[in-house]
Amino acid sequence: EIVLTQSPGTLSLSPGERATLSCRASQSVSSSYLAWYQQKPGQAPRLLIYGASSRATGIPDRFSGSGSGTDFTLTISRLEPEDFAVYYCQQYGSSPGVFTFGPGTKVDIK
Amino acid sequence: QLQLQESGPGLVKPSETLSLTCTVSGGSISSSSYYWGWIRQPPGKGLEWIGSIYYSGSTYYNPSLKSRVTISVDTSKNQFSLKLSSVTAADTAVYYCARRPVVPAAFDYWGQGTLVTVSS
Repeated sequence: EIVLTQSPGTLSLSPGERATLSCRASQSVSSSYLAWYQQKPGQAPRLLIYGASSRATGIPDRFSGSGSGTDFTLTISRLEPEDFAVYYCQQYGSSPGVFTFGPGTKVDIK
Repeated sequence: QLQLQESGPGLVKPSETLSLTCTVSGGSISSSSYYWGWIRQPPGKGLEWIGSIYYSGSTYYNPSLKSRVTISVDTSKNQFSLKLSSVTAADTAVYYCARRPVVPAAFDYWGQGTLVTVSS
């Protein structure tokens, strides 16, 4: 089973700053099967990035994903007030049909 | 616009079976382009994938829950369902249903979630 680790646990930043979130896998993950979600309090998660670097429909271009193998990154180029939330990475395929989520990174206002 | 809506009891007694249904509107659950899944989130904690189903009935389960989980699909009602047996307080969570395209392997539409509490 592939375990995902996200760091930092909490990221305290100001609007306009750049956010860099890390997701590390215990084994190599196909880039095609790495996704990122945003979740705000009381809401369902929203898909941001799939295939490690492709933005989902309607996602602003300030969100970008990169990485390969065991190390993946979500970057928010300039934080907007609505971007303060929890972000989860997710991988697929350690076993056929099986998904795993990381523990999340909270981006809060400094 | 695709919508998913979870429904079912909000309170389940320990050792009993949790049963939830997800009703899909604005799209067909019988499409060959999608899987349908359940994900849960204990209060204040992270996301846990429970399992997924294809319209044909093929299922995939989280290995840690596999012995207690059954996911089924009713194409005539455009619904899919979750049953989790022998529940304990650790199964208290918000349960989400979601759509997963065959490609990419990510959940692109989610229901609003429903809180299920396990308590006597």
